[in-house]
Order: sequence, then structure tokens, then C-alpha cells
Amino acid sequence: DAGVTQSPTHLIKTRGQQVTLRCSPISGHKSVSWYQQVLGQGPQFIFQYYEKEERGRGNFPDRFSARQFPNYSSELNVNALLLGDSALYLCASSLWTGVNQPQHFGDGTRLSIL
Amino acid sequence: TQLLEQSPQFLSIQEGENLTVYCNSSSVFSSLQWYRQEPGEGPVLLVTVVTGGEVKKLKRLTFQFGDARKDSSLHITAAQPGDTGLYLCAGAAGGTSYGKLTFGQGTILTVHP
Repeated sequence: DAGVTQSPTHLIKTRGQQVTLRCSPISGHKSVSWYQQVLGQGPQFIFQYYEKEERGRGNFPDRFSARQFPNYSSELNVNALLLGDSALYLCASSLWTGVNQPQHFGDGTRLSIL
Repeated sequence: TQLLEQSPQFLSIQEGENLTVYCNSSSVFSSLQWYRQEPGEGPVLLVTVVTGGEVKKLKRLTFQFGDARKDSSLHITAAQPGDTGLYLCAGAAGGTSYGKLTFGQGTILTVHP
């Protein structure tokens, strides 16, 4: 079975631009979460979606938004990019939103802001 | 705000040595997960511990969840070069936090042949 797939794998943008990152969960998984991992740190929670509804939001500005589609895939949008948005953006899927549900991560999108 | 303090941040050892990585918090977690991450890849789940005092073994890796569910440890016996990587602990708070994971800052392990 295919794992969590993310696209693109790498992306270079300039300050002020907008970016859309995409995630396809493992087949049958209905929950998708997004994390930001800055170099040298652990991932930080951005959003969780389940059944197309937002179920959790981390401490990120309103420039960050996301949505989940009927096929459970998801997009993360970031507007007005800043240099500090340079990071690895990880998507994780799980069967549902239960607290002990194991989360399976994709290999991420490496976003570089110039 | 829940925080997970992971130590040590860096660990460089010789093949065959034993090591322990610690993950501590002042908050209670419903469960704690350990991940390993290779460069250029996403974290891969190693284990989930749920019950206070729980011990799980995965070959040469032993994971323990503290009795109060505030801390955890990962012990590797007879480390091998293939164990090299970034080890991350992550706690799930439960309640309305659903599946949100709070990660520690990670431990970079290097095992020299």
C-alpha cells in the first residue's frame, strides 16, 4: 500500500509570495495533520482535519490555512511568505482522530524562501 | 502550553555501546510516541506507549512510559551504525486536542563503526 504522499518535494519561493502544498493520506485514513519542522527542531503542529472539518489548530498566524477534500486529501496554503517560513512541511495521516491513533508521516515538502 | 524536553540533544557513540534518550514534561500525556527520522525523510513511528509504567521492546530498543505519564525513555542496547538518525518523542494530550502531537526537539544519534 502507498504511504502518505506529499507534493512537491521541494519548492523555492520569494518573500511575499503564496504557496500551496498537497498531501494524499494512506488509503482508508480520514484524518490529516500538518506539521512544520524547522532545521534542528522537532515538528510543530499546524492543523488537523477530519472528515473535511478542522479539528485542531496550532499557534500559527492566519497566513496559514488548510482544507480537506471529499477524498480526504488535503492542501496547506501559506500567504505572504516570510523568510522564517523556510522549513520542512510534513503531512501525517491516521485512521481517525483518536488520541492514541498512530500517525504516519509523509517525507515532506522542503520549502525555501529567498 | 505543553512542552516536551528531550535529552541529550546530541549523542555520538561507538558501535556496541548502550544509550538512553530521555523525554520529560510537566504535563500529563494520554500517550507518547517515539519516531525515528532519517535525513530527507519523514518521521517513522517506532512505538506508542499508552499506560503509565508500560514497557515495550522492539528488538534492541526498549521504551518506557513513566508511571505518571509525564516522561518516557528510549534505551538502545548494543547500538549499531544503522541506528544512526534523529529520534523524536511526541506526546498526545487527549481531550479536545484529539490527535495533535507535541514533539520534543529531538536527539541526533551517531553510531560510529
